[in-house]
Amino acid sequence: GDSVTQMEGPVTLSEEAFLTINCTYTATGYPSLFWYVQYPGEGLQLLLKATKADDKGSNKGFEATYRKETTSFHLEKGSVQVSDSAVYFCALYNTNAGKSTFGDGTTLTVKP
Amino acid sequence: DAGVIQSPRHEVTEMGQEVTLRCKPISGHDYLFWYRQTMMRGLELLIYFNNNVPIDDSGMPEDRFSAKMPNASFSTLKIQPSEPRDSAVYFCASSDRGRSGANVLTFGAGSRLTVL
Repeated sequence: GDSVTQMEGPVTLSEEAFLTINCTYTATGYPSLFWYVQYPGEGLQLLLKATKADDKGSNKGFEATYRKETTSFHLEKGSVQVSDSAVYFCALYNTNAGKSTFGDGTTLTVKP
Repeated sequence: DAGVIQSPRHEVTEMGQEVTLRCKPISGHDYLFWYRQTMMRGLELLIYFNNNVPIDDSGMPEDRFSAKMPNASFSTLKIQPSEPRDSAVYFCASSDRGRSGANVLTFGAGSRLTVL
């Protein structure tokens, strides 16, 4: 079946540092890929998405590129802020499976 | 739109009691999902509906759990009887997969359940 593997956390960075959270996936066909973010006490919310190979999703300074050859969708941000502290989930949606598959989440803490 | 609305936000109950969690999806969304989140098991899909019909309930942990969607604007997740191991945050999410194709999920704020 489909699976998503995320870089294990927690990740702690200083403000303005560069962020990378790795995500790789296993799926049949051509899934859509997503990053969701969960702030404390809230539900998950969509951060960005990419629906086909080589697409780049971007939002709020975060970016991720759909790499089919390496089955990856790594999340990056050039300069993190304290307000970026949250849990980040990589996910895929496979039409064949009919449902989304989530990674385990990576907790990011940004210190001033 | 007010988003996906869940109630109650917090529920504390005693083992053996019945618990009912409620969800109002976004108007026009044709898919509704119930997830459970715990530290140990992460985010688990329990069941999902399409046009009010249950499609996949393979994630429902056992017969104590049941879910219904009597109409397009309301769904319930019921646990009877509840047990301490059911303590978790339960999320409802909806999507308009039929139109967007990419199945972007909109989550509610969650219902935090504590069973003593």
